[in-house]
Amino acid sequence: NAGVTQTPKFQVLKTGQSMTLQCAQDMNHEYMSWYRQDPGMGLRLIHYSVGAGITDQGEVPNGYNVSRSTTEDFPLRLLSAAPSQTSVYFCASRTRHANTEAFFGQGTRLTVV
Amino acid sequence: DAKTTQPNSMESNEEEPVHLPCNHSTISGTDYIHWYRQLPSQGPEYVIHGLTSNVNNRMASLAIAEDRKSSTLILHRATLRDAAVYYCILRDGRGAGGTSYGKLTFGQGTILTVHP
Repeated sequence: NAGVTQTPKFQVLKTGQSMTLQCAQDMNHEYMSWYRQDPGMGLRLIHYSVGAGITDQGEVPNGYNVSRSTTEDFPLRLLSAAPSQTSVYFCASRTRHANTEAFFGQGTRLTVV
Repeated sequence: DAKTTQPNSMESNEEEPVHLPCNHSTISGTDYIHWYRQLPSQGPEYVIHGLTSNVNNRMASLAIAEDRKSSTLILHRATLRDAAVYYCILRDGRGAGGTSYGKLTFGQGTILTVHP
């Protein structure tokens, strides 16, 4: 049982490049989310999904796309990277029940130059 | 979503108890109170949750006020490893069978410093 796995752990992009951050969970969780965390700040919700084929925007969705074709995977796409997207990105998964815990990946540290 | 308010920072000495407060005056009857913590350079990890009654687990205790408008996370003997940012979050269980909505939002949390 690997939990929530994020890849890559580190990435450097040039402005304008695109890339996909991968997130996979093996716990059959319905809900998955992406967050970004800037230095000294809390986590801000980018996008979330309540099941395969269903996604919705969080607080800071601009510049990011997501899809959820399977229960296990929830990739985050940066279409045209900007320096403002330099951040640490966390993926999380949980069941749909309010009395269960959320599990987080170890994060992807992204630098856009 | 009901909001929570936490102090920006707190300090403790090693092996002393720590009481981390959280105010949630607009909490609804179906909101679960969850606590997470984030160690340096790591993703958040679950600590504890409760609905109405106080809760204990191997990591901490959660004391919930009778009117549920506040709660306190208690670390019984702080260690250096407990230095982290602690987040108090409400999860709405209004859905069928206690299901929650999709969003899980974080505030700024409380930075806990533990002195040797």
